Amino acid sequence: GAGVSQSPRYKVAKRGQDVALRCDPISGHVSLFWYQQALGQGPEFLTYFQNEAQLDKSGLPSDRFFAERPEGSVSTLKIQRTQQEDSAVYLCASSLGTGASNTEAFFGQGTRLTVV
Amino acid sequence: AQKITQTQPGMFVQEKEAVTLDCTYDTSDQSYGLFWYKQPSSGEMIFLIYQGSYDEQNATEGRYSLNFQKARKSANLVISASQLGDSAMYFCAMREDTGRRALTFGSGTRLQVQP
Repeated sequence: GAGVSQSPRYKVAKRGQDVALRCDPISGHVSLFWYQQALGQGPEFLTYFQNEAQLDKSGLPSDRFFAERPEGSVSTLKIQRTQQEDSAVYLCASSLGTGASNTEAFFGQGTRLTVV
Repeated sequence: AQKITQTQPGMFVQEKEAVTLDCTYDTSDQSYGLFWYKQPSSGEMIFLIYQGSYDEQNATEGRYSLNFQKARKSANLVISASQLGDSAMYFCAMREDTGRRALTFGSGTRLQVQP
């Protein structure tokens, strides 16, 4: 596709349920980032992939959060045993390069997760 | 320590007027990039403009310009001739060449353009 695609757009989960959020980056983009955006806040970094390698997962808030990109393209962010504080928009971004400061990141529309 | 500071939670501007959205940043890196993104109510983050730390000229992209004052560590966004469609959240972000490769965002400014 032409842009970064995320699915689902909206997800309602009961507390304790596991969820999986998908990101399909722009074809050929090496770098992939996941961000969490709480209501009224700026996005906060979760994790970074360069191709299939997860080079930085320092932003993941707990061991309930897990991300993978097994073939270096599509990525999945999984949240186990969801809690109410996990409610947020989860944004995926991809970029062509490997992180030089001038590399523009393209964002998907995000997945809005609501935990009830 | 907060690396990106946007001190204006909300701004109003009349249609066709110019508006400046403030952004200050903190870094010890010599090489870094500064970005502005627009986020309409639909949720996607739209890239607007980029300024590199070594760029001597202020960046411009159509109606957007970035007022870069390196010594003051500020990177204000100027939108000229505001349009109703400019109403959105605006985020300033930074990426340093060393350390984390992700963008660090500010808390955003909500701009409302009034007819």
